[in-house]
Amino acid sequence: NAGVTQTPKFQVLKTGQSMTLQCAQDMNHNSMYWYRQDPGMGLRLIYYSASEGTTDKGEVPNGYNVSRLNKREFSLRLESAAPSQTSVYFCASSASGITDTQYFGPGTRLTVL
Amino acid sequence: LAKTTQPISMDSYEGQEVNITCSHNNIATNDYITWYQQFPSQGPRFIIQGYKTKVTNEVASLFIPADRKSSTLSLPRVSLSDTAVYYCLVLLQAAGNKLTFGGGTRVLVKP
Repeated sequence: NAGVTQTPKFQVLKTGQSMTLQCAQDMNHNSMYWYRQDPGMGLRLIYYSASEGTTDKGEVPNGYNVSRLNKREFSLRLESAAPSQTSVYFCASSASGITDTQYFGPGTRLTVL
Repeated sequence: LAKTTQPISMDSYEGQEVNITCSHNNIATNDYITWYQQFPSQGPRFIIQGYKTKVTNEVASLFIPADRKSSTLSLPRVSLSDTAVYYCLVLLQAAGNKLTFGGGTRVLVKP
């Protein structure tokens, strides 16, 4: 059981470039989440998917899009990266419901120059 | 606007009890308060979750008063390996049922 996996672990982008962060879970969870973590800011929810086929905005959705590809996979896309999106991105999943115990991936450290 | 607030940092010594309080007005009815632990360069890890009164597991206790406007994570007899950042997570009704983490409390356990 790998739990929640994220790729890549590190990424450097130039302003205006696009990229997709991948997340997969093997726990048969219904709900999945994307967070960003900035120094001194804690974790902020970008988007979440309560179940396959649904997505909802979180606290900071601007500049991001998501796709719940299937029950296992939930991707986060930056269409035109900006320096303000430099952050560590965490994916998480929970069995069901948005306040169920969440299991987090190891994170992706993204730098936008 | 409703917020979730925690102390920024706390120092303690090995063997002591550490209590961290998270303040949250207008928490969603019937929803849980959850606490996570995070080590550097890792994702947060679940510690404990509760709905009301008191919950205890093998690593921590969680106290939630009747008004549910705060919760307190209690770590008994901490060790050096408990040095980490601790976050509370709540669903804020007043913010449109937004899932919100507190800003985190950095706990440093000294020998």
